[in-house]
Amino acid sequence: GAGVSQTPSNKVTEKGKYVELRCDPISGHTALYWYRQSLGQGPEFLIYFQGTGAADDSGLPNDRFFAVRPEGSVSTLKIQRTERGDSAVYLCASSLRGGTGRTEAFFGQGTRLTVV
Amino acid sequence: SQQGEEDPQALSIQEGENATMNCSYKTSINNLQWYRQNSGRGLVHLILIRSNEREKHSGRLRVTLDTSKKSSSLLITASRAADTASYFCATDPNRDDKIIFGKGTRLHILP
Repeated sequence: GAGVSQTPSNKVTEKGKYVELRCDPISGHTALYWYRQSLGQGPEFLIYFQGTGAADDSGLPNDRFFAVRPEGSVSTLKIQRTERGDSAVYLCASSLRGGTGRTEAFFGQGTRLTVV
Repeated sequence: SQQGEEDPQALSIQEGENATMNCSYKTSINNLQWYRQNSGRGLVHLILIRSNEREKHSGRLRVTLDTSKKSSSLLITASRAADTASYFCATDPNRDDKIIFGKGTRLHILP
């Protein structure tokens, strides 16, 4: 596709449920990032993929959060036993290259997750 | 944790005036990026400046980088109502692979 696509755009779930958020990066982009953003705050880093591997997952808040990118393209962010504090906009971005030769990162429109 | 910090947190100026936003960061970097976010969700990439560059221009935007002071500035000249948005700087702390954002400057252009 022309840009980064995130689905669903909105997700309402009950506390304790499991959710999956999907990110389709720009074709050919090797680097993929997940962030979450609360109202009035900047995007908070969660995890960074270079290809299929998670190069840095230091931003994942706890072991309820997990992300995969099995074929080096589409990525899924998985949240188990959701809590009301997980409510936020989850943003995905991709770039042609990461690391020292980094190119600009393009963001999707995000998934607004609401845990009730 | 936040690496970059934008200043001011909020800025209101008259249409036509220039707007300057600053970003300070803590560690060495490979590059620094500026993004815009309108109310809603999408972040739009504005400029990427590398650590060996001092200034970069794109249309009405001018970005400077001072690695000795660990700071950057974003200047928007001849502001327009459509420039109303939040502006974020993003860096790769310790020349790491991840990109870390600041808390942003909320810019409001008054008609």
